[in-house]
Amino acid sequence: DQQVKQNSPSLSVQEGRISILNCDYTNSMFDYFLWYKKYPAEGPTFLISISSIKDKNEDGRFTVFLNKSAKHLSLHIVPSQPGDSAVYFCAAKGYYGGATNKLIFGTGTLLAVQP
Amino acid sequence: NAGVTQTPKFQVLKTGQSMTLQCAQDMNHNSMYWYRQDPGMGLRLIYYSASEGTTDKGEVPNGYNVSRLNKREFSLRLESAAPSQTSVYFCASSDRRPLKDEQFFGPGTRLTVL
Repeated sequence: DQQVKQNSPSLSVQEGRISILNCDYTNSMFDYFLWYKKYPAEGPTFLISISSIKDKNEDGRFTVFLNKSAKHLSLHIVPSQPGDSAVYFCAAKGYYGGATNKLIFGTGTLLAVQP
Repeated sequence: NAGVTQTPKFQVLKTGQSMTLQCAQDMNHNSMYWYRQDPGMGLRLIYYSASEGTTDKGEVPNGYNVSRLNKREFSLRLESAAPSQTSVYFCASSDRRPLKDEQFFGPGTRLTVL
């Protein structure tokens, strides 16, 4: 049962245009969402997050939008740059009986930004 | 600060062999995690340690054991490796702070079981 879904395995965008990566979740108890970026042969690195009490969070070229009623979040990258080419993972914070901040990850979307 | 370090970077095992993956963090984080990443599956939590002295199962714990040696180190052991354990393994650490719940990942260990 995939609680966090990224239905697009890949996305190709021209340099300078907007990249929109999507993520859907099923558990309404999730209260914090994160995006991670992963280059080949490296570990994931944190990119941006959003609390469930907000619907938007911006950090430079990156904006995350949260639509709680639709259980959907999206990551917008504007303008896209070739260095943004990576796999992007969506993650949601879930609890399993009083544990720490365990994350549930989506399957990832490979973004390719064409020069 | 090195952040989260993992050894080894690569390993090839034969079915039935055992090995331990090492992880250390220098950020004074309380919590540490082991994930595996497989194609089309994202990152799945194997085991985690909320604090020194405690460990708990994650989503896919079968075939693995862990040890939280001290606050810095968290190891993952495969007692009898199987081809299904071929994967990339990531260690992560975190410390809960208000509105800052991100985990920090190591570079990964690529394991192949023949």
